Amino acid sequence: EIVMTQTPLSSPVTLGQPASISCRSSQSLVHSNGKTYLSWLQQRPGQPPRLLIYKISNRFSGVPDRFSGSGAGTYFTLKISRVEAEDVGVYYCLQATHFPRTFGQGTKVEIK
Amino acid sequence: EVHLVESGGGLEQPGGSLRLSCAVSGFTFSSFGMSWVRRAPGKGLEWVATINDDGTRKHYADSVEGRFTISRDNSKNMLFLQMNGLRVGDTAVYYCGKDAQYDDVIWGPGTLVTVSS
Repeated sequence: EIVMTQTPLSSPVTLGQPASISCRSSQSLVHSNGKTYLSWLQQRPGQPPRLLIYKISNRFSGVPDRFSGSGAGTYFTLKISRVEAEDVGVYYCLQATHFPRTFGQGTKVEIK
Repeated sequence: EVHLVESGGGLEQPGGSLRLSCAVSGFTFSSFGMSWVRRAPGKGLEWVATINDDGTRKHYADSVEGRFTISRDNSKNMLFLQMNGLRVGDTAVYYCGKDAQYDDVIWGPGTLVTVSS
């Protein structure tokens, strides 16, 4: 099983300031087809998960451009350029290159 | 517009069974692998199971292997999760969605399963 390790687990941020979350996988997430199935999800309180970023750096439809993803191989990052109040929630990385699919532990983003 | 709605959750005793359903609309259901994920109270998201587009390949988390069965009815655009031998640790909100390999994954609002005596 691939272990996904997120840091930090908690991120208090000031409105308008940037935030960054890292995700490290225990094995390469490069699929045999050459693609890397690493996604970032947001879960607001009382809401279902919401896809933000797919295949490392592609923003899903409707996701604000203050969200960006980067990385390769086993190390990935989600950045929020300027945190807004609606960004409060828990953020997860998810790998879908291998079975079992595995999530990071989650990073709680809250406003200072 | 893509729409997924889970149902079938509720309160069940340890050792009991529940069958979750997921009604899908807005995309060609029979062309996509589908998954169940869950979130237990106070915990993070956990992948539960995935089924391929025609239902011939299924994968399960170790925590549910042998107790849960994922299935689908492509003629009715429905996804199912048969849960037997329920444990207290299965208490969670269960969400259905496309497999995470796709570029446009959306999850339904979820259905709450509570396992308690």
